[in-house]
Amino acid sequence: DTGVSQNPRHKITKRGQNVTFRCDPISEHNRLYWYRQTLGQGPEFLTYFQNEAQLEKSRLLSDRFSAERPKGSFSTLEIQRTEQGDSAMYLCASSFGIGGTGVSGSYEQYFGPGTRLTVT
Amino acid sequence: RKEVEQDPGPFNVPEGATVAFNCTYSNSASQSFFWYRQDCRKEPKLLMSVYSSGNEDGRFTAQLNRASQYISLLIRDSKLSDSATYLCVVNLIQGAQKLVFGQGTRLTINP
Repeated sequence: DTGVSQNPRHKITKRGQNVTFRCDPISEHNRLYWYRQTLGQGPEFLTYFQNEAQLEKSRLLSDRFSAERPKGSFSTLEIQRTEQGDSAMYLCASSFGIGGTGVSGSYEQYFGPGTRLTVT
Repeated sequence: RKEVEQDPGPFNVPEGATVAFNCTYSNSASQSFFWYRQDCRKEPKLLMSVYSSGNEDGRFTAQLNRASQYISLLIRDSKLSDSATYLCVVNLIQGAQKLVFGQGTRLTINP
């Protein structure tokens, strides 16, 4: 399967614990995005990378959240001191894009299957 | 006001019916527009992009009205397999390649 993959697919954790999710994008894609989706809502943008550079972070991404893409390939999203409100589906997407952060060519974002987080 | 607003539904229609979804967006500087489809407990998948001139893909027709900041999707001759949540999506190109999703409209096609 050459699509976007995410691990784990499900994670149950107790409040206060740290969790880390991994996303492997489509290999030729230089852009990687993280979104969060709660029940009955559309996905909400969290952050995105172009290669290894993190170019934008949403205000939703509190200081308990950190994302990395150290070699411009896979990415990790860590949540420290989890809270019940963090329970959601965390979706990763990738795309190919050219240019910088402004107007530039950008192509379809392909989503991974998501990691469903439940904080008890 | 939400950046992208949709009627959440649910819409329940018989097979073969024509269904129309509407969406409005608040940021007049938005540049790209899409409809995504999301099946239950699955990831969103691009259904079609939306162009100012309107575009059609088989039974699906998308329209964009920039003056009214309004996007629509029409599904003709609906099939059971069209049952899903349809997400209206806007790309705010200035500053970031981030997609802004509407709440989604849930559609169920009944036999």
